[in-house]
Amino acid sequence: EPEVTQTPSHQVTQMGQEVILRCVPISNHLYFYWYRQILGQKVEFLVSFYNNEISEKSEIFDDQFSVERPDGSNFTLKIRSTKLEDSAMYFCASSDRGNQPQHFGDGTRLSIL
Amino acid sequence: AQRVTQPEKLLSVFKGAPVELKCNYSYSGSPELFWYVQYSRQRLQLLLRHISRESIKGFTADLNKGETSFHLKKPFAQEEDSAMYYCALSGGGTSYGKLTFGQGTILTVHP
Repeated sequence: EPEVTQTPSHQVTQMGQEVILRCVPISNHLYFYWYRQILGQKVEFLVSFYNNEISEKSEIFDDQFSVERPDGSNFTLKIRSTKLEDSAMYFCASSDRGNQPQHFGDGTRLSIL
Repeated sequence: AQRVTQPEKLLSVFKGAPVELKCNYSYSGSPELFWYVQYSRQRLQLLLRHISRESIKGFTADLNKGETSFHLKKPFAQEEDSAMYYCALSGGGTSYGKLTFGQGTILTVHP
């Protein structure tokens, strides 16, 4: 069964540095999402992406965050200048249509020092 | 605003006992409700969605619009059901596709 893949599984970065989290959605999916889960808290929506543009973003997704689909397969989340509070598990998800069930990746654990 | 509440962080039952994981939601329109499960060291995966009305791994969930609830039930719990369970809501309009999750409930089924 096709899966969403995320790399790296764990990223450790110094505060203030830029970080790029990578995702390869399922190949025929058109809708892409990023979520994050701070330790001990709920999974929170960050951003949805369709047709090469952001469909919706949450309050968390401020100017420090950006997403990109640089080619036909990858979907990236960039945090420009990381803060301690960005430490979390980041999940990528994809679906073939907007309100169809989303398939999640294993997540990237981001640790900011 | 969309909100999902799972009142129980932890739920323990014995094998063969019935189990009910509670989920309440707040949404002004017609939501779509899901249950996702995360087994130990595995990814979040869809367990069931309300519109499909199917039973997966013996679990069922009925959307009760009057009580704004979508409780997950299984008549006879198995040890392999031990996992984290998340209730999630997807709204319409501009929030089409965006999932709002509850806090999650850790279910432990004892032998």
